[in-house]
Amino acid sequence: DAGVTQSPTHLIKTRGQHVTLRCSPISGHKSVSWYQQVLGQGPQFIFQYYEKEERGRGNFPDRFSARQFPNYSSELNVNALLLGDSALYLCASSRSIQETQYFGPGTRLLVL
Amino acid sequence: AQKVTQAQTEISVVEKEDVTLDCVYETRDTTYYLFWYKQPPSGELVFLIRRNSFDEQNEISGRYSWNFQKSTSSFNFTITASQVVDSAVYFCALSEPYSGTYKYIFGTGTRLKVLA
Repeated sequence: DAGVTQSPTHLIKTRGQHVTLRCSPISGHKSVSWYQQVLGQGPQFIFQYYEKEERGRGNFPDRFSARQFPNYSSELNVNALLLGDSALYLCASSRSIQETQYFGPGTRLLVL
Repeated sequence: AQKVTQAQTEISVVEKEDVTLDCVYETRDTTYYLFWYKQPPSGELVFLIRRNSFDEQNEISGRYSWNFQKSTSSFNFTITASQVVDSAVYFCALSEPYSGTYKYIFGTGTRLKVLA
């Protein structure tokens, strides 16, 4: 079975722009979570969705938003990009919110 | 408060040596889950093991083993007979039900270098 897929793999943006990152979960998984990993740090939780509803939100500004679609895929949107948003953005899927999360390869975002 | 501490920032070993990665956690709940993930240079987090707070039985899976001790809030991970392919950053993570979510709290990671 295919794992979690994310697109794009790499992205370069300038300050003030908007970005949309996409994630497709493992087949049969209904929960998607997003994490931000800054270089040299562990991933930080951004959002968790289950059955298209937001179930949790981390300590991130309102510039960050997400949604989950009926096919359980998900988008992460970041508005008004700042240099500090440069990071690896990881998507994880799980069968339900309490089951083990499996991660995708991530999207590397560079903000100039 | 939830917190995961990985005090070892980097460890170097020679191939075939055993290596133990330390993890200490803080949690406010009696029900929680602990994980180890491996992150090779490609960036993808690879799931290794999961333990539930109510199951302190320690196990061995191939070259991997773990030592879960609730009394000291530790969840250490051992690789036996290390190989060059084990070189990666290893993350310990904690998850507990809080306000309807099961977010993962990660430590800062331990970089393992296995030298040939």
